[in-house]
Amino acid sequence: DQQVKQNSPSLSVQEGRISILNCDYTNSMFDYFLWYKKYPAEGPTFLISISSIKDKNEDGRFTVFLNKSAKHLSLHIVPSQPGDSAVYFCAARGSEKLVFGKGTKLTVNP
Amino acid sequence: DAGVIQSPRHEVTEMGQEVTLRCKPISGHNSLFWYRQTMMRGLELLIYFNNNVPIDDSGMPEDRFSAKMPNASFSTLKIQPSEPRDSAVYFCASSLSGAYGYTFGSGTRLTVV
Repeated sequence: DQQVKQNSPSLSVQEGRISILNCDYTNSMFDYFLWYKKYPAEGPTFLISISSIKDKNEDGRFTVFLNKSAKHLSLHIVPSQPGDSAVYFCAARGSEKLVFGKGTKLTVNP
Repeated sequence: DAGVIQSPRHEVTEMGQEVTLRCKPISGHNSLFWYRQTMMRGLELLIYFNNNVPIDDSGMPEDRFSAKMPNASFSTLKIQPSEPRDSAVYFCASSLSGAYGYTFGSGTRLTVV
């Protein structure tokens, strides 16, 4: 039973436009949510996070939104750049461990 | 800091053979995690250690898998005997206890033929 779901395996956007990656979760006890970015042949790297007591966190071109009532979070990248092309993993922390979604492959076309 | 170091980067082995994956966490980190990445299941947690003690091994698929952490700077994940369905990328990650973010190694790509 997947506790963290990323329902879109892939997303393709044009350079300069907005990329929106979505994530749903089932466990209301999660206290932190994170996004990781992964390039081929590398390990995932931390991108941005949000506490369960907040609804928005922004870091440069990256913004994460949390809707607790819907158990949904999203990552917005504006403007998207070709270097953003990677697999993005949504993760949630519960019981001192991170649970990851399956990932969404983002392709930003020049 | 060199980050989390995993070895080998690639491993190809025959079904039935023993495989040992190695991990050196970031110095000072006291939590260590082993994850496996597959297309079907994404990133799944196999086991994690806190202060060298296994805390949760509920993700270890079966008795063929075992993990040890003999000291704060070294951990191994062993598969004996290996099977083709074990083919995946195995990641090790470390963190400070209680921190919400982990630092991942570059992974070991395991292929069992």
